[in-house]
Amino acid sequence: DVKVTQSSRYLVKRTGEKVFLECVQDMDHENMFWYRQDPGLGLRLIYFSYDVKMKEKGDIPEGYSVSREKKERFSLILESASTNQTSMYLCASTGFRDQPQHFGDGTRLSIL
Amino acid sequence: DQQVKQNSPSLSVQEGRISILNCDYTNSMFDYFLWYKKYPAEGPTFLISISSIKDKNEDGRFTVFLNKSAKHLSLHIVPSQPGDSAVYFCAASDPTSGTYKYIFGTGTRLKVLA
Repeated sequence: DVKVTQSSRYLVKRTGEKVFLECVQDMDHENMFWYRQDPGLGLRLIYFSYDVKMKEKGDIPEGYSVSREKKERFSLILESASTNQTSMYLCASTGFRDQPQHFGDGTRLSIL
Repeated sequence: DQQVKQNSPSLSVQEGRISILNCDYTNSMFDYFLWYKKYPAEGPTFLISISSIKDKNEDGRFTVFLNKSAKHLSLHIVPSQPGDSAVYFCAASDPTSGTYKYIFGTGTRLKVLA
């Protein structure tokens, strides 16, 4: 079974802080994704990566960056956290296009 | 512009009856569609998928129907159970994007009443 692990379930940070969200998958998947989920807006793609050190912007990359130094780990970075980045953050991975993305349990991030 | 739309934010169904969740899309190039189920404070769980070469796919109580001419897919749950109460997201994949990313709808909250 695919396991996608997000480092924190709940996180509270202050505005202006640099925030790191970590995601690890154990299935040797090339492709990893970061989404945020907000009520009424569904899941929106922030960034994705199709290989080590490779990344592409998703639909809402502003205010975020990512790092993929190892195949199994994909980090999302909030450079200077703001209150409008309070959200549920979800990481996913997949190996092939016709196989479903597998999600972690999410990180509920609150920026005060 | 929303390429994948779930126009019903919520749906209530009696236990034992059929639940029908709908999803519309605008891009005729989409060729792979999925449904995910999400409980509060958990990540989405894959439910069922369908390729554009098919018009129906079944897995136990769950069936997905695809109508390519109408650019519409639906998820049928029969019989509905209280444990099916969750938010359901449909998603689509565009092969012309050259990536493995999905486009998600905004979700439908299903409540199955005992």
